[in-house]
Amino acid sequence: EAAVTQSPRNKVAVTGGKVTLSCNQTNNHNNMYWYRQDTGHGLRLIHYSYGAGSTEKGDIPDGYKASRPSQENFSLILELATPSQTSVYFCASGDDWGGGEQYFGPGTRLTVL
Amino acid sequence: QQQVRQSPQSLTVWEGETAILNCSYEDSTFDYFPWYWQFPRESPALLIAIRPVSNKKEDGRFTIFFNKREKKLSLHITDSQPGDSATYFCAAKGNTGKLIFGLGTTLQVQP
Repeated sequence: EAAVTQSPRNKVAVTGGKVTLSCNQTNNHNNMYWYRQDTGHGLRLIHYSYGAGSTEKGDIPDGYKASRPSQENFSLILELATPSQTSVYFCASGDDWGGGEQYFGPGTRLTVL
Repeated sequence: QQQVRQSPQSLTVWEGETAILNCSYEDSTFDYFPWYWQFPRESPALLIAIRPVSNKKEDGRFTIFFNKREKKLSLHITDSQPGDSATYFCAAKGNTGKLIFGLGTTLQVQP
């Protein structure tokens, strides 16, 4: 049974629109992460959280916001989507800050037209 | 500035051969080095990891060799199988607490 789930799995958005990507984990991990994956850039950290109510900026936070309302849920918000944000987004959870294993969700493929 | 570098970008070996994937890093404070693998249209998953207190970590056909002085590590896959065909990411964690990923090596194992 998948411990990290993401929704939606695929999303087509229009430029300037608002997009919310959701992540849920049943691992009871304190830490959660949002990455994007693009050809030629590998996995890049957008935002992360080390518990409910906390969010931190990762390496490429511009244009993104994050929300961690509970231990289980971590959302990534694109207030004004742009075509450059077309990518595959992965959520992950971990039980040790960056040191333990990170468990990845299945990914969300976002296309911004 | 890429803090974790991987080479080669792509690698093809025959079934049964040993594949060697290389990784180097810049920050001497990095203290945890996981390797993730990712199959097409799937998410990354932890394969094997090492901490600098060791210079070798083995798990079945997969072995990490670690050279702290040269800031290099390599992943050796012995008796490569077609099912090993995937993209392999080297990552590193330092005192910032974040995992930094390399750009990956795509391995193709030909039957």
